[in-house]
Amino acid sequence: SQQGEEDPQALSIQEGENATMNCSYKTSINNLQWYRQNSGRGLVHLILIRSNEREKHSGRLRVTLDTSKKSSSLLITASRAADTASYFCATDARTGNQFYFGTGTSLTVIP
Amino acid sequence: DAGITQSPRHKVTETGTPVTLRCHQTENHRYMYWYRQDPGHGLRLIHYSYGVKDTDKGEVSDGYSVSRSKTEDFLLTLESATSSQTSVYFCAINSGGSYEQYFGPGTRLTVT
Repeated sequence: SQQGEEDPQALSIQEGENATMNCSYKTSINNLQWYRQNSGRGLVHLILIRSNEREKHSGRLRVTLDTSKKSSSLLITASRAADTASYFCATDARTGNQFYFGTGTSLTVIP
Repeated sequence: DAGITQSPRHKVTETGTPVTLRCHQTENHRYMYWYRQDPGHGLRLIHYSYGVKDTDKGEVSDGYSVSRSKTEDFLLTLESATSSQTSVYFCAINSGGSYEQYFGPGTRLTVT
């Protein structure tokens, strides 16, 4: 399987703290994406980083990519209770428009 | 949910019965996908479509078939449902011009 894996599986932090979650994948990629899923809902796209990029920012989100280690990290700064959700990384197949999702990190932000 | 609907939203069916799930989009996107989500496995691709009548298998396609006769509709059929197909099914679309996927609200299927 080309599916990635997020680490940790679950994370619980206090509001205002930073949250870091990691994604490891198995094959070469064109880009890596992070998605968020609130309980009982579909996934929502957060940010995309291309294979030739090392870091990308969007608001309170910071994503890094290390293609030599086949890993990525998502940092959420100054977390809020509303950030409570599951977060998934997704990688693409080198050919075609197929995407492979990781197993997810469940983030709980305690008010 | 970016103009994507799924129907039904919930279904309970018996083992051995056929089941069809529908995904409908109003975005005129070229690519449509069916995923299943199970605890400990994340999302896994079942089938996807890259145009009308053009489909291909994903990681977990056994026991599933799909059809796309119109741009806006992508059907997922379980010919003979099994308990292992109890899951939450998500449809997603992608324009092909970017890698961002838009997801539907999901269908919770229980096979008893």
